Amino acid sequence: EAGVTQSPTHLIKTRGQQVTLRCSPISGHTSVYWYQQALGLGLQFLLWYDEGEERNRGNFPPRFSGRQFPNYSSELNVNALELEDSALYLCASSLGGPATGKLFFGSGTQLSVL
Amino acid sequence: GDSVTQMEGPVTLSEEAFLTINCTYTATGYPSLFWYVQYPGEGLQLLLKATKADDKGSNKGFEATYRKETTSFHLEKGSVQVSDSAVYFCALRESGGGADGLTFGKGTHLIIQP
Repeated sequence: EAGVTQSPTHLIKTRGQQVTLRCSPISGHTSVYWYQQALGLGLQFLLWYDEGEERNRGNFPPRFSGRQFPNYSSELNVNALELEDSALYLCASSLGGPATGKLFFGSGTQLSVL
Repeated sequence: GDSVTQMEGPVTLSEEAFLTINCTYTATGYPSLFWYVQYPGEGLQLLLKATKADDKGSNKGFEATYRKETTSFHLEKGSVQVSDSAVYFCALRESGGGADGLTFGKGTHLIIQP
């Protein structure tokens, strides 16, 4: 069974640019989560999508946005990139919502903003 | 708000040593508690969990007991192996219907030397 896949694995952008990160959940999983793993800050919750709807977002500015498609894959968009957006962006999926706590994570997209 | 505090790393041990990684939390209500592990180059994966006070989660020789009186969920293993080298994350999910993702600690990097 294929795990959670993310693309691209690495990305280099400059300040002010826009970026789109992609995530394909495990087959059958309807919930997708996005986390930011910045150096020294641990994992910060960004967004949760379920059945195509945004269910909740973390404490991030509106320039972080995303969507979930009918096949449950998801995109994370970041506009007007800032240097502090440099981080590993992790996508996770689960069967149903976060109540079970059993999230399956991808290997992440490493974003560097110069 | 909810928070998770883990001991700072890296923690370096010799093979067959006893391991303890401390984790304490702050939450309202009665959270579920989790340990996730991130092996080099891989995404996070659930190691064990406990959903109520005095529950003990266990997996792959690792154990953690939900201690409500000390708000702790320390991870232990009696005899570590080189293959246990990874980053370990303590996490919680608030009970009571909150539609959030998990709240993670900053992670503890464990290095096991042969």
